[in-house]
Amino acid sequence: QSALTQPASVSGSPGQSITISCTGTSSDIGTYDSVSWYQQHAGKAPKLMIYEVTNRPSGVSNRFSGSKSGNTASLTISGLQAEDEGHYYCSSYTASSILVVFGGGTKVTVL
Amino acid sequence: QVHLVESGGGLVKPGGSLRLSCAASGFSFIDYYMTWIRQAPGKGLEWVSSSSRSGSTSYYADSVKGRFTISRDNAKNELYLQMSSLRAEDTAVYYCARDGGLINYFYYMDVWGVGTTVAVSS
Repeated sequence: QSALTQPASVSGSPGQSITISCTGTSSDIGTYDSVSWYQQHAGKAPKLMIYEVTNRPSGVSNRFSGSKSGNTASLTISGLQAEDEGHYYCSSYTASSILVVFGGGTKVTVL
Repeated sequence: QVHLVESGGGLVKPGGSLRLSCAASGFSFIDYYMTWIRQAPGKGLEWVSSSSRSGSTSYYADSVKGRFTISRDNAKNELYLQMSSLRAEDTAVYYCARDGGLINYFYYMDVWGVGTTVAVSS
């Protein structure tokens, strides 16, 4: 069982917006602005999409945005496109011996 | 161009050992914490180990503590993971990743290698 909780799957039609939630605790998401999101296409390495809750790395589309409220972080993909299909993982620093925790991943399907 | 390339994966018997390497290029290696993250077949991501910039401080997940050793050679721009007493549950793709933080570490990994596959089986 993963330390952070994500829905197993989310789907949407092209052009729609979807939101993926990531729920942690006061030991990770609730205390630290350290939430990051990664996109992974089948057979490929993860790619950083959002870091420190809301920041987008250079080259990442502004259709991707992040937010946090309490112990829950969210990734929103607006204007959904076929290329957005894949798995998305959230991550956070945690005040424990583990240091870095990940969510179980969410499969995004574009209908 | 920033690149990380892992090598050293393979098939090993339970109880065996393996050494993974990660060659870095395109950035000042010594300025960054470096991390190993793994992904078991069909599963999610799991943080394994991180190294401070100098290599003097190492961090490990409880699942590998005492069995794995992270190290780095800043002169060669290389990161290593020495794995011993391997178990079936260590079977995974192992990714080398750069910690993007220059002040707050372990917050995010901004560069990832393509991964190297480790299979532990008799």
